[in-house]
Amino acid sequence: ETGVTQTPRHLVMGMTNKKSLKCEQHLGHNAMYWYKQSAKKPLELMFVYSLEERVENNSVPSRFSPECPNSSHLFLHLHTLQPEDSALYLCASSQDITVHLRGYTFGSGTRLTVV
Amino acid sequence: TQLLEQSPQFLSIQEGENLTVYCNSSSVFSSLQWYRQEPGEGPVLLVTVVTGGEVKKLKRLTFQFGDARKDSSLHITAAQPGDTGLYLCAGVVVYRTVGSARQLTFGSGTQLTVLP
Repeated sequence: ETGVTQTPRHLVMGMTNKKSLKCEQHLGHNAMYWYKQSAKKPLELMFVYSLEERVENNSVPSRFSPECPNSSHLFLHLHTLQPEDSALYLCASSQDITVHLRGYTFGSGTRLTVV
Repeated sequence: TQLLEQSPQFLSIQEGENLTVYCNSSSVFSSLQWYRQEPGEGPVLLVTVVTGGEVKKLKRLTFQFGDARKDSSLHITAAQPGDTGLYLCAGVVVYRTVGSARQLTFGSGTQLTVLP
């Protein structure tokens, strides 16, 4: 148990489907993140939330839509994805966006396959 | 964009051997972190180094931060199969002046396999 729980662990979806990824943390952290991990590429930061407010969006296509209803939950809504969006999507949390010494706590990820 | 290059990309060694992996950048980082990621899991923080020239030891793992805070190395002594995994370095940069918010920039990783 890492403290950050992601569901589902695996997801296969068609290009016309709409699905959502869920992330939950009960560590008392105030910052949450979505990362995309593709083969042989560095982790790509997608979204950053601090105290439920989005503070960073690294030019992510609009087919990815995040939602942070409270400091413990983070969602990534997916629609009309492309096959190249297939990847491991990782959620992470940290005490806040200014403290870095303790690093990020990552979930186990959702393995997404777009067909 | 801060670029972190890790080498080698892949490393396969026998149990008991020593190894070193490298993390290099042309940018200066306020601190640098190492993570290990096992198959089917997310990365787990191993260590944070902050001061140029700093050396930290975690059992058989020795981490060093370069004097100029642009590079780092991870040395593993007497590797064991349990050390198998993807080793990621991540540099911490300030990306906002308001609130001094920081962002982690990750390297692409070194995939280590230790054979019994």
